[in-house]
Amino acid sequence: GQQLNQSPQSMFIQEGEDVSMNCTSSSIFNTWLWYKQDPGEGPVLLIALYKAGELTSNGRLTAQFGITRKDSFLNISASIPSDVGIYFCAGPIRSGTYKYIFGTGTRLKVLA
Amino acid sequence: DAGITQSPRYKITETGRQVTLMCHQTWSHSYMFWYRQDLGHGLRLIYYSAAADITDKGEVPDGYVVSRSKTENFPLTLESATRSQTSVYFCASSTLAGKGELFFGEGSRLTVL
Repeated sequence: GQQLNQSPQSMFIQEGEDVSMNCTSSSIFNTWLWYKQDPGEGPVLLIALYKAGELTSNGRLTAQFGITRKDSFLNISASIPSDVGIYFCAGPIRSGTYKYIFGTGTRLKVLA
Repeated sequence: DAGITQSPRYKITETGRQVTLMCHQTWSHSYMFWYRQDLGHGLRLIYYSAAADITDKGEVPDGYVVSRSKTENFPLTLESATRSQTSVYFCASSTLAGKGELFFGEGSRLTVL
């Protein structure tokens, strides 16, 4: 079945460092969503991407919709302790469908 | 603004028992979803619904039943719970198909002994 693979699975970084993570799909996506999940809570949307090549920022976060439409990237600049959490990519499995699937997640830990 | 609420937040049950997890949203969103979250698997879609009386299977539907008689409610039933169904279950809703943000509840942690 359709899978979204995220890498890295987990990472430890120092406060102030930049972070990069990515998400790849075996098929084309027309929408990419990036979510963050804090411990004990449900995921919350960070950035939504709707067009190949699109680059969108939300504060210190920047996400890009890959030109092949099979991948997406999330960057966090100047990380802070509250960036700790799990980051998920997600998208509708086919254009026009509302069947959203999620990646396996990247667990981020920030060392102060 | 209550948003989307799940109940119970925590549940312990025994193998073979029936369990129902409730999901209620106050936004009148058309689309609702049930996911389970397990370590190493991320969030996997169990069932989803486009409107009242319209439901469809997700990635891992076996052992689960859903219904949607009213737009605001989307209960998930485990007809005969198994240990492999121990998980954290998240309900979500959305206004738009394919392009909309999913809004999640706080989750229901289920343990099957």
